[in-house]
Amino acid sequence: EAQVTQNPRYLITVTGKKLTVTCSQNMNHEYMSWYRQDPGLGLRQIYYSMNVEVTDKGDVPEGYKVSRKEKRNFPLILESPSPNQTSLYFCASSWWQAGSPLHFGNGTRLTVT
Amino acid sequence: DAKTTQPNSMESNEEEPVHLPCNHSTISGTDYIHWYRQLPSQGPEYVIHGLTSNVNNRMASLAIAEDRKSSTLILHRATLRDAAVYYCILRDSSGAGSYQLTFGKGTKLSVIP
Repeated sequence: EAQVTQNPRYLITVTGKKLTVTCSQNMNHEYMSWYRQDPGLGLRQIYYSMNVEVTDKGDVPEGYKVSRKEKRNFPLILESPSPNQTSLYFCASSWWQAGSPLHFGNGTRLTVT
Repeated sequence: DAKTTQPNSMESNEEEPVHLPCNHSTISGTDYIHWYRQLPSQGPEYVIHGLTSNVNNRMASLAIAEDRKSSTLILHRATLRDAAVYYCILRDSSGAGSYQLTFGKGTKLSVIP
């Protein structure tokens, strides 16, 4: 089954403790991206990747890092999480063409205390 | 800046058609119009997309204005399962714009039994 898998689904951590949220897709998509969703603010793009070893900032990249060493994986790294990064995070992938639909994961709910 | 404008919320009666509008007055000739919806507690899912012509699929229809500055997502018979937040986004096919995507807050559709 074609899918985007995020792990973990829920994560509670403390300020400053490094964490990684994983994202993996099995569709051989070139494009992958991360979003955060907060009440009243909709979905905001954090980072995106056009292909292996090619990444760029979205609208809200501060406090986040990403890497794209393999085509199927696009982890989101929070080196020193802060409470304002408490949010619902989604990973998505697609072919590079603009007419290609985005496939989203089921989300990771992160709480930073 | 958001490239699309949608009403915050809409209501529909069950089994009646629903027309969800989206304004994109600054659309370029290379922008695809995509629609996604997000059911409660789930990741967004693809609904439909188009470039210039109206499009139909098993989920919905997309009507694109002749000047392409607006579009309408049509659900032919709303069901309770269609209650969701609907997002209209533009995806540029001319290059890097394919990758930096702005979702905004979408339209929250309520379906009344």
